[in-house]
Amino acid sequence: ETGVTQTPRHLVMGMTNKKSLKCEQHLGHNAMYWYKQSAKKPLELMFVYSLEERVENNSVPSRFSPECPNSSHLFLHLHTLQPEDSALYLCASSQDAALSLTGELFFGEGSRLTVL
Amino acid sequence: GNSVTQMEGPVTLSEEAFLTINCTYTATGYPSLFWYVQYPGEGLQLLLKATKADDKGSNKGFEATYRKETTSFHLEKGSVQVSDSAVYFCALSDRAGNQFYFGTGTSLTVIP
Repeated sequence: ETGVTQTPRHLVMGMTNKKSLKCEQHLGHNAMYWYKQSAKKPLELMFVYSLEERVENNSVPSRFSPECPNSSHLFLHLHTLQPEDSALYLCASSQDAALSLTGELFFGEGSRLTVL
Repeated sequence: GNSVTQMEGPVTLSEEAFLTINCTYTATGYPSLFWYVQYPGEGLQLLLKATKADDKGSNKGFEATYRKETTSFHLEKGSVQVSDSAVYFCALSDRAGNQFYFGTGTSLTVIP
């Protein structure tokens, strides 16, 4: 089992669809993250969860809805997205949410989302 | 605020050439600095890091030195290989923790 696993790897959806991205980490970490990676832009932090509690939400539109049922799983529910939401969505985990202590994020391979 | 600026790519080099990818940062405190690498079809993985001024991070032949006076953390490698072809991201984390700030990434292609 790789450290952080994301499914699906590729997703195409219409603007009226509802879909979900799933992330699972097998590292025993306490913090999990969603990032958005768009071409020629810095990675954008979307959500941070620490011990299943949301600790950061960087003004993400409500059409993105995260869920963290336990410390190993993280979901991103998608609803009525726009074409500009097309991007690579990366899940990451770390030992804890105080990144300056450990300094390392472990990333999944990403879910490539295309909104038509 | 905090931000990271890195050189735009793409960068194309011949095998065994010398590599430099520039990175400068703006930070309100004393950040830790990182280079992450993303190989084709994979997620990002930590390449090296430095947690205080004058520290040098190194891994797999890559090096970067934390320069507080020039607010820089340039990535270097003396002799690149085809397998080094990837996208390289410079990043910082602030002392308050909880967030990384990433650059836009620099794509490197090494040709035989």
